[in-house]
Amino acid sequence: NAGVTQTPKFQVLKTGQSMTLQCAQDMNHEYMSWYRQDPGMGLRLIHYSVGAGITDQGEVPNGYNVSRSTTEDFPLRLLSAAPSQTSVYFCATNQGGANTEAFFGQGTRLTVV
Amino acid sequence: AQSVTQLGSHVSVSEGALVLLRCNYSSSVPPYLFWYVQYPNQGLQLLLKYTSAAPLVKGINGFEAEFKKSETSFHLTKPSAHMSDAAEYFCAVSDYGTGNQFYFGTGTSLTVIP
Repeated sequence: NAGVTQTPKFQVLKTGQSMTLQCAQDMNHEYMSWYRQDPGMGLRLIHYSVGAGITDQGEVPNGYNVSRSTTEDFPLRLLSAAPSQTSVYFCATNQGGANTEAFFGQGTRLTVV
Repeated sequence: AQSVTQLGSHVSVSEGALVLLRCNYSSSVPPYLFWYVQYPNQGLQLLLKYTSAAPLVKGINGFEAEFKKSETSFHLTKPSAHMSDAAEYFCAVSDYGTGNQFYFGTGTSLTVIP
């Protein structure tokens, strides 16, 4: 049982390049989210989805796109990478319902040069 | 809006000493509170969560937290620190009303001194 799988684990991009961070889950959870983690700032929500075909913006959505065509997958797209997007990105899933915990992937460490 | 504040970005304790990591929340409704731990280069792992069944919550690895509504706090404690407890700890609150989104504190890095 893999849980939440993120790929790649590490990535270096040049400014202006685009890329997609992949997130796949086998937990059959409806809710999925993307967070970025920066030193001293904790985790901040980028985008989230409450089910296939439904997405919404979080706290820091600028420069990122998402889509949710299946329950299992929730890719995060960087349209034109900027050095400010250097961060560690985490995908999380949640069963939904009050007081249910989030399950996290291992993270993708992205550096934009 | 929901939010949590963690006091102390770095905490150092001696091995065997009490661990106390502070978390205060801001919520207009009964909060859903969580503590997560992050070991180096890993994702976040749930330590414990407040379910409203009882104010004192026991989690994994000997950690516990007490919900105090009067103080709007959910501090994390462990009676005796172990070297393996060295990690980053995050307090979080979830907002059931907006897709169960989680709002995290800025984290506390725990160092255990041998």
